[in-house]
Amino acid sequence: GEDVEQSLFLSVREGDSSVINCTYTDSSSTYLYWYKQEPGAGLQLLTYIFSNMDMKQDQRLTVLLNKKDKHLSLRIADTQTGDSAIYFCAETKSNTGKLIFGQGTTLQVKP
Amino acid sequence: GAVVSQHPSRVICKSGTSVKIECRSLDFQATTMFWYRQFPKQSLMLMATSNEGSKATYEQGVEKDKFLINHASLTLSTLTVTSAHPEDSSFYICSARGVEFGYEQYFGPGTRLTVT
Repeated sequence: GEDVEQSLFLSVREGDSSVINCTYTDSSSTYLYWYKQEPGAGLQLLTYIFSNMDMKQDQRLTVLLNKKDKHLSLRIADTQTGDSAIYFCAETKSNTGKLIFGQGTTLQVKP
Repeated sequence: GAVVSQHPSRVICKSGTSVKIECRSLDFQATTMFWYRQFPKQSLMLMATSNEGSKATYEQGVEKDKFLINHASLTLSTLTVTSAHPEDSSFYICSARGVEFGYEQYFGPGTRLTVT
């Protein structure tokens, strides 16, 4: 089956690192994504990782993938108040293009 | 690059009427477009997938006669909510992907539909 799960809420202080976790069940997933959604807006693609990679870094963002445990994480370094948003992880298989989303993690950044 | 727009951003309609939502890829050709529905504080639920020039593929439980999807060109897909009811009130988001961006989907800003 297809199921993606995330914790619902994370609160950090400005300047700290944030780590948002995600687990998935479909071992045939080819790409895993992180999206950011600000209130009343659509989704912004932050980064993605191919399933044969362990890690991807893009400026303040680091994605770690543990394929054995089907665990994905997004680390945001030096978290800023502008990072406050809902973060969705999603998986897809290349043949369908369908994205299966987690419930979203609300990140609250306190000044 | 990879900009997707939606129109309107907000719409209020009376129960029983139909409303059309447009999704456009502004700077690329979208071979596939997806329509999602999002309830408050919840995740996105895929409603249907549409490939240009083909009939849309609906997810289980989504009424195809109620949610009409047309993808007549490589830059435009429309979702028409027919005979809308208050329970259809939701945030509708489209996404698009094209050959030049591989498997990445780019999302529109969403349309808030309120049925009174």
